[in-house]
Amino acid sequence: DAGVIQSPRHEVTEMGQEVTLRCKPISGHDYLFWYRQTMMRGLELLIYFNNNVPIDDSGMPEDRFSAKMPNASFSTLKIQPSEPRDSAVYFCASSYDAGNTIYFGEGSWLTVV
Amino acid sequence: AQTVTQSQPEMSVQEAETVTLSCTYDTSENNYYLFWYKQPPSRQMILVIRQEAYKQQNATENRFSVNFQKAAKSFSLKISDSQLGDTAMYFCAFISYNTDKLIFGTGTRLQVFP
Repeated sequence: DAGVIQSPRHEVTEMGQEVTLRCKPISGHDYLFWYRQTMMRGLELLIYFNNNVPIDDSGMPEDRFSAKMPNASFSTLKIQPSEPRDSAVYFCASSYDAGNTIYFGEGSWLTVV
Repeated sequence: AQTVTQSQPEMSVQEAETVTLSCTYDTSENNYYLFWYKQPPSRQMILVIRQEAYKQQNATENRFSVNFQKAAKSFSLKISDSQLGDTAMYFCAFISYNTDKLIFGTGTRLQVFP
């Protein structure tokens, strides 16, 4: 079975540019999560969806960040405009049900210069 | 509030030896899952093992086993016959049946030496 698929794996962009990270969850999983990992803050939950509906976006750092899930098999996390402090590994994850095992993608390494 | 604490920022072990990583958690919930995730230098988050709180038997996956003490809210990971490929960051995590959010500890960096 295919796991959670993220793209791009690595991205280097200049400050001020728009960044779009993509995710395909595991088929049949109703929950999708976006996490960010940095040395300073560890793993942070940014936002999560249930059945394509955003449930909790309290972890989204500011208005520059937005996330969408137009259908059950695709989600995007967009940063516009990007800043150097957004440099991090961004993980997408999915789970079958609430309170169940969460499976992670391989992460998207973002560097903003 | 639910919290997960990993008190060992770094651990080291020699190849083929056994090492135990500690984790404690705090919750008022009775039904939940506990996990250990491994994050090697590639940064991928890999599920190592999971434990359902209602099960008294400790989970085991090959060389990985846990010591789950529900009353003490303790969930340690034992790695037997350590291998160089076990070198990674290990995260303990908790999720309640009633919530959707996975709560992570701060991680323990494990180095396996030849």
